[in-house]
Amino acid sequence: NAGVTQTPKFQVLKTGQSMTLQCAQDMNHNSMYWYRQDPGMGLRLIYYSASEGTTDKGEVPNGYNVSRLNKREFSLRLESAAPSQTSVYFCASSELAGVGYTFGSGTRLTVV
Amino acid sequence: EDKVVQSPLSLVVHEGDTVTLNCSYEVTNFRSLLWYKQEKKAPTFLFMLTSSGIEKKSGRLSSILDKKELFSILNITATQTGDSAVYLCAVAHRNSGNTPLVFGKGTRLSVIA
Repeated sequence: NAGVTQTPKFQVLKTGQSMTLQCAQDMNHNSMYWYRQDPGMGLRLIYYSASEGTTDKGEVPNGYNVSRLNKREFSLRLESAAPSQTSVYFCASSELAGVGYTFGSGTRLTVV
Repeated sequence: EDKVVQSPLSLVVHEGDTVTLNCSYEVTNFRSLLWYKQEKKAPTFLFMLTSSGIEKKSGRLSSILDKKELFSILNITATQTGDSAVYLCAVAHRNSGNTPLVFGKGTRLSVIA
């Protein structure tokens, strides 16, 4: 009954460090997404993958890269972390792009 | 540009009150509108609405969509402290396999005893 699994749950980075947020789903969903959530801003789309082998930019892609490793896994990479990237990051998946999502439990990232 | 606007942004009520949360939208090729509840962690699904005028109901929560006026409301009756959360509205595009949901900024509901 795992659904969408995100790792790590918490992370503190120094400015300029890099890291990869991992996301895996076990529901055989085609589409996967990365969002960030900041106070008062709702959920903002960073990148998404409508199907295995494709990725597209969302509303706020600058400073991030993604890899759809296979149908199950979709990772988000910060190459050179900045304090503006302090946020809560959510991964989600759905059978088709645009229908109801299943969310992971989130990663709280702090960049100091 | 697609837009989903929720109001109010925050709301404080007493237990037992009834609240109405609003969501208006401007999207091309509308397919459906979804409501999510977010407590401490990930959003959880509440309702999906596709047809105008048909109320979806689950316990004390209900929601209805008006496709002509491009809005939806989420009603919560006899509120409890456990209803305290951020409520998110999102809209899906029709037949557009590559377009993700568009989310509003959410309404933060606080229910005090």
